Amino acid sequence: DIQMTQSPSSLSASVGDRVTITCRASQGVTSYVNWYQQKPGKAPELLIYTTSILQTGVPSRFSGSGSGTDFTLTISSLQPEDFATYYCQQSYNVPLTFGGGTRVEIK
Amino acid sequence: EVQLAESGGGLIQPGGSLKLSCAASGFSVTKNYMTWVRQAPGKGPEWVSFFYSGGSTYYADSVRGRFFISRDSFNNTLHLQMNRLRVEDTATYYCARAIPSPNAAFDIWGQGTLVTVSA
Repeated sequence: DIQMTQSPSSLSASVGDRVTITCRASQGVTSYVNWYQQKPGKAPELLIYTTSILQTGVPSRFSGSGSGTDFTLTISSLQPEDFATYYCQQSYNVPLTFGGGTRVEIK
Repeated sequence: EVQLAESGGGLIQPGGSLKLSCAASGFSVTKNYMTWVRQAPGKGPEWVSFFYSGGSTYYADSVRGRFFISRDSFNNTLHLQMNRLRVEDTATYYCARAIPSPNAAFDIWGQGTLVTVSA
């Protein structure tokens, strides 16, 4: 199974900050990494797929990059509605696997 | 409107069975890749099962042989039959649709249905 390791597991940031979350795959997954945002009591929502493609309706302050085993989600200017937990997911191989999550909290 | 709505969760004793349903509207469950993902309380999402539009099915090792994914084209519904349930199967179960590409990214999710396995 491909393990997805996210870091950090949590972070505190202020509105307007640039935030970077990383995800490392235990083996190469080409570009098949997706990112989700989840708020308490809600289902995850797709933000970015295939490493860097922004899902329809997602603000352009979100971006993704990487290839092979190392991937990054960046929020260029954190907004109040961005405080949530973020998960990466690989879809290169079954079983599909998620990272452990990064909780973004208000500083 | 494109949406999914799960039902069928509840409290069940270990060893019991439960069948979850996921009603789709605005698209066809038989023409899309569909999946079940669960999330235990306070934990991250865990993929459970996948149904390719062509008919192939896949399961996580933790549920293979106990859970069975199916779809009903007449009612446009995805199902998850869960047998021999264990305490560790306790979670909110979500159905989701994968975007139509080789990459299984899940763009539409239901609201989830809670399954609690406890004596």
